[in-house]
Amino acid sequence: SQQGEEDPQALSIQEGENATMNCSYKTSINNLQWYRQNSGRGLVHLILIRSNEREKHSGRLRVTLDTSKKSSSLLITASRAADTASYFCATVSSGTYKYIFGTGTRLKVLA
Amino acid sequence: DGGITQSPKYLFRKEGQNVTLSCEQNLNHDAMYWYRQDPGQGLRLIYYSQIVNDFQKGDIAEGYSVSREKKESFPLTVTSAQKNPTAFYLCASSTETSPYNEQFFGPGTRLTVL
Repeated sequence: SQQGEEDPQALSIQEGENATMNCSYKTSINNLQWYRQNSGRGLVHLILIRSNEREKHSGRLRVTLDTSKKSSSLLITASRAADTASYFCATVSSGTYKYIFGTGTRLKVLA
Repeated sequence: DGGITQSPKYLFRKEGQNVTLSCEQNLNHDAMYWYRQDPGQGLRLIYYSQIVNDFQKGDIAEGYSVSREKKESFPLTVTSAQKNPTAFYLCASSTETSPYNEQFFGPGTRLTVL
């Protein structure tokens, strides 16, 4: 079953703008991870945020986690055409080792 | 795609045939995973393995089988019992089945049933 649900399903922005995508989940988690997938390729890990963390940065990426609302957001600042991809959140529920992926946000950055 | 190879990249199967998808990793990872991805969808877990000679069913194991005879290899067989096998199949690995480890993915195999 899909636990993570990303919002929006698709996003189109101009190069240089910021892109924000959200992820909601249903159960208690150990951590939440964000992955990127270029069309027809495998997924690449971007960032992991633990359940006791509220915000994390990595380069142009900023992730927030609100466990009370069971939601996370991924912000990509100063977007580039190369950021065009699908972005997925993945959660690992407490007491398990199974990753559950959301349905993804398709981001298109226009040059 | 970092040390995980999947073959073939494209695979065509006639209805009623079994096919085996290959997944090999040279990362010395203990844990390996198989996912299925349908158009516009996220990934669904088929099987995963924490160590050699051991594996567990994921959320959609029916119609699939796996083996883990070697640490480096985790082949997936799509059997004729899988009613709708056309999909993109992704293999992944991680250092161990810890919830704090990232997964490394292969490039995927696109299976089409004719």
